[in-house]
Amino acid sequence: DIQMTQSPSSVSASVGDRVTITCRASQSISTWLAWYQQKPGKAPKLLIYAASSLESGVPSRFRGSGSGTDFSLTISSLQPEDFATYYCQQGDSVPYSFGQGTKLEIK
Amino acid sequence: QVQLQESGPGLLKPSETLSLTCTVSGGSLTSGSYYWSWLRQPPGKGLEWIGYIYHSGSTNHNPSLKSRVTISVDTSKRQFSLKVRSVTAADTAVYYCARVRSWSFDSWGQGTLVTVSS
Repeated sequence: DIQMTQSPSSVSASVGDRVTITCRASQSISTWLAWYQQKPGKAPKLLIYAASSLESGVPSRFRGSGSGTDFSLTISSLQPEDFATYYCQQGDSVPYSFGQGTKLEIK
Repeated sequence: QVQLQESGPGLLKPSETLSLTCTVSGGSLTSGSYYWSWLRQPPGKGLEWIGYIYHSGSTNHNPSLKSRVTISVDTSKRQFSLKVRSVTAADTAVYYCARVRSWSFDSWGQGTLVTVSS
């Protein structure tokens, strides 16, 4: 099974800051990587698929990059609605697996 | 815009069978472009993929649940379903149904909490 490791587990930032979250796969997954945002009590929301493709309706301040085993999600200018938990997910092989999550908190 | 809605009992006793249904509206369950999946999230924890089904009935599931899981589809009702046998407290979670596109989950139900307790 492929293990997904995110870092950091939590991060504090201010509105307007630039934040980067990283995700590492235990083996190469090409670009079969997605990023999700989850707010308390809500279902996850797809932000990025295929490592760098922006889902329709998602603001362009979200950017995904990487391939192979190392990936990142960058939010270029944090907005108040961006404070949430973020998960990466590999879709390369079954069983699909998620990172443990990164909680983005307001400083 | 496709919408998914989970339904089913919210409280089970250990050893019972969890049964949930996901109803799909605003989109076709039989579209060749999509698979349909179940995931879960224990309270305060991360996400776990349970399995998926194609409209033809072809399935795949997470071996971590061993052979306890069955996923089925009823295209005439625009529904797909999940059964988990012999539940324990470790199966307590919010269960989500979701649509699979490009091996990511692009549309989700709101989730339903299932609690296993004696």
